[in-house]
Amino acid sequence: DIQMTQSPSSLSASVGDRVTITCRASQSISSYLNWFQQKPGKAPKLLIYAASSLQSGVPSRFSGSGSGTDFTLTISSLQPEDFAAYYCQQSYTPPITFGQGTRLEIK
Amino acid sequence: QVQLQESGPGLVKPSETLSLTCTVSGGSINTYYWSWVRQPPGKGLEWIGYIYDSGTTNYNPSLKSRVLISVDTSKKQFSLRLGSVTAADTAVYYCARTYWLGGGILIDYWGQGTLVAVSS
Repeated sequence: DIQMTQSPSSLSASVGDRVTITCRASQSISSYLNWFQQKPGKAPKLLIYAASSLQSGVPSRFSGSGSGTDFTLTISSLQPEDFAAYYCQQSYTPPITFGQGTRLEIK
Repeated sequence: QVQLQESGPGLVKPSETLSLTCTVSGGSINTYYWSWVRQPPGKGLEWIGYIYDSGTTNYNPSLKSRVLISVDTSKKQFSLRLGSVTAADTAVYYCARTYWLGGGILIDYWGQGTLVAVSS
């Protein structure tokens, strides 16, 4: 299985901050990396697919980059509704695996 | 707009079989893969497996010996059976639409999730 490791596990930030979350794969996955946002009591929501493609309807303040084993999710200017958990997911090969998550909290 | 809805018992006894069904509405069940994903309380996401409309399946090796996913395209439903459950199987179970795009696996639409507790 491909292991996905996110950092940090939690992060405190303020509205308006620029935030970056990192995801590392245990082997090369090319650009087959997706990012999800999850709010308490809700299902995950797809934000970014194929490492850098923005899912329809997702604000442009979200962006993704990377290839191979190292990837980042950046939120350019945090909004109140962005405080949530974020998960990366490798889409290269089954079994589908997720990172352990990053909890983004209000400072 | 595609919608998915999980249904099934919220409480299962240890050693018994967990059974859930997902009903798809607002879109076709054909030409897509359909996944089950679970999330223990306060923890991360674990993919259980998926099924194609033809019945082809792919399971997470960590659960493969206990899992069966089936599909009924006429009812626009797919189902999960997980046998010999223990407390470690207590989780919110999500069903989700899955497809291959440009060589990668994409999960786009999710159900709201249903909490299944394993307890005597």
